[in-house]
Amino acid sequence: RKEVEQDPGPFNVPEGATVAFNCTYSNSASQSFFWYRQDCRKEPKLLMSVYSSGNEDGRFTAQLNRASQYISLLIRDSKLSDSATYLCVASTSGTYKYIFGTGTRLKVLA
Amino acid sequence: DADVTQTPRNRITKTGKRIMLECSQTKGHDRMYWYRQDPGLGLRLIYYSFDVKDINKGEISDGYSVSRQAQAKFSLSLESAIPNQTALYFCATSDEGTGSYEQYFGPGTRLTVT
Repeated sequence: RKEVEQDPGPFNVPEGATVAFNCTYSNSASQSFFWYRQDCRKEPKLLMSVYSSGNEDGRFTAQLNRASQYISLLIRDSKLSDSATYLCVASTSGTYKYIFGTGTRLKVLA
Repeated sequence: DADVTQTPRNRITKTGKRIMLECSQTKGHDRMYWYRQDPGLGLRLIYYSFDVKDINKGEISDGYSVSRQAQAKFSLSLESAIPNQTALYFCATSDEGTGSYEQYFGPGTRLTVT
């Protein structure tokens, strides 16, 4: 079983739609979580960190459920420019270890 | 100018050749990492370095070596390239001393071993 698992998609959604991705992690010692965005053949870039209380940044909302060991990303009012692969990352605090999921591909359709 | 740069950006080489991928950063971060990305496997850590005198193996270090020449420079070498090392390679930096765990990635090197 992979330490961080994501549905690879693709999720094909129309512009303006709301879409949600989940990511599960297996290491209960994981303490820090992130969503990265990766455009085709480009480097990953941090989209947002995920805090225990949940956090929101504009159209993006991230949630953490420690009991069930998953994190989620909600995108509201999807834009064409949101089309990308979204990588879930878990890290154990105080270590080097960032475990990346394989990514969920999102296509926003006009 | 980009904060994390990688050279070359693309490279095609033959089996058995030695190749070096270079990474430079202007962010002043102590921590540097080398990852490879393969379709369906995600990013996997090859080596990491917390400072100039500290080098550590990641999960897939076999067939690779690294050199941390300075705080700003971290090179990855393939001593004898093989076709299954064909992948997209990323260098990354982080500065966890500030409490931020964000990793900053270079633009990547696309390596093909024939």
